[in-house]
Amino acid sequence: DADVTQTPRNRITKTGKRIMLECSQTKGHDRMYWYRQDPGLGLRLIYYSFDVKDINKGEISDGYSVSRQAQAKFSLSLESAIPNQTALYFCATSAQYSNQPQHFGDGTRLSIL
Amino acid sequence: GEDVEQSLFLSVREGDSSVINCTYTDSSSTYLYWYKQEPGAGLQLLTYIFSNMDMKQDQRLTVLLNKKDKHLSLRIADTQTGDSAIYFCAESPGSNDYKLSFGAGTTVTVRA
Repeated sequence: DADVTQTPRNRITKTGKRIMLECSQTKGHDRMYWYRQDPGLGLRLIYYSFDVKDINKGEISDGYSVSRQAQAKFSLSLESAIPNQTALYFCATSAQYSNQPQHFGDGTRLSIL
Repeated sequence: GEDVEQSLFLSVREGDSSVINCTYTDSSSTYLYWYKQEPGAGLQLLTYIFSNMDMKQDQRLTVLLNKKDKHLSLRIADTQTGDSAIYFCAESPGSNDYKLSFGAGTTVTVRA
């Protein structure tokens, strides 16, 4: 079983719809992250959370929101999806100590028509 | 990411060595990472190196770090078809230890 699980794996939806991507982990890590991947741009950080009560914006948070429901769960929402949010989205986790490696889920491929 | 640069493509013959290069700009980087992404999968951590090291070897993988030139490389010995993937270089700045800055990724194609 995967340590970092993302659901759904694929989603096609229409402009203006609200969408939630979910992430759960069994690694016991405190820190969780959401990234998006676009071809030729690498990964860019959307939001991150150091614990259940701590939520922080990353470099591209506009148009997104997050919820940390529990230590093991971190969800990403697009309140009103737009086509340029079509991308591959990754959740990652890391231990609480400085510079610990991040561990990634298999991603959610999101297409907005 | 703009702070980390990689060449986009590398083609290598099976059995040869692959060398993937990366340059970064943040002189305060403490850790540098290599991740591998296979089709349809997430990023798999391959190896990482602390900035006070010059080299790290792990089986077929060798990481070389030139801190003066801010240059990182990953060498894969005896490249196999299963090594075909996108390889991402990432750096973790010393000032913000949560943040990973990724390169755009190098697509490695292994030909028979």
